[in-house]
Amino acid sequence: EIVMTQSPGTLSVSPGERATLSCRASQSVRSNLAWYQQKPGQAPRLLIYGASTRATGVPARFSGSGSGTEFTLTISSLQSEDFALYYCQQYNDWRTFGQGTKVEIK
Amino acid sequence: QVQMQQSGPGLVKPSQTLSLTCAISGDSVSSNRAAWNWIRQSPSRGLEWLGRTYYRSKRYNDYAESVKSRITMNADTSKNQFSLQLNSVTPEDTAVYYCARSAYAGVGFFDSWGQGTLVTVSS
Repeated sequence: EIVMTQSPGTLSVSPGERATLSCRASQSVRSNLAWYQQKPGQAPRLLIYGASTRATGVPARFSGSGSGTEFTLTISSLQSEDFALYYCQQYNDWRTFGQGTKVEIK
Repeated sequence: QVQMQQSGPGLVKPSQTLSLTCAISGDSVSSNRAAWNWIRQSPSRGLEWLGRTYYRSKRYNDYAESVKSRITMNADTSKNQFSLQLNSVTPEDTAVYYCARSAYAGVGFFDSWGQGTLVTVSS
């Protein structure tokens, strides 16, 4: 099973600042990586797939990069609605998720 | 716009069977393109993919190794829905269960989700 490791566990950021979230795979997943946002009491919402393609309706301030084993989700200028949990997920070899990064208000 | 509506009991006794249903609108459980998945989330296990069902001239099911011996997924084309059955549950199966769509069975990300059902395994 491919293990996905996200860092940091919690990221404290002020509104308007940039947030950079990391995701590492235990073996190469090529570009078969997705990012999700989850708010309390809600299902995850797809943000990015193919490591860097924004899903429909996702604001341009969200961007993804990386391939192989190292991936990054960047939120260029945090808005109030962006404070949430973020998960990466690989789909190169079945499907596994990272443990999540909480983005909180500093 | 795909919508997925989950239903099923929120409390299941240990050793019994967990059963959930996901009704689809805006797409078809018989689509030759999409796949229909169950995923669960718990504090101890995080997000865990359980399995998928999809149709390519015939019905296929794939299950995660962790639950393979206990899981069954079915599709009801007349009601445009699919279901999850998980046998011999223990408290470790307590989780929020989600149904989710992969728009293309060949890719495994999830672009639409149900609302989630908290299932507690307790006597």
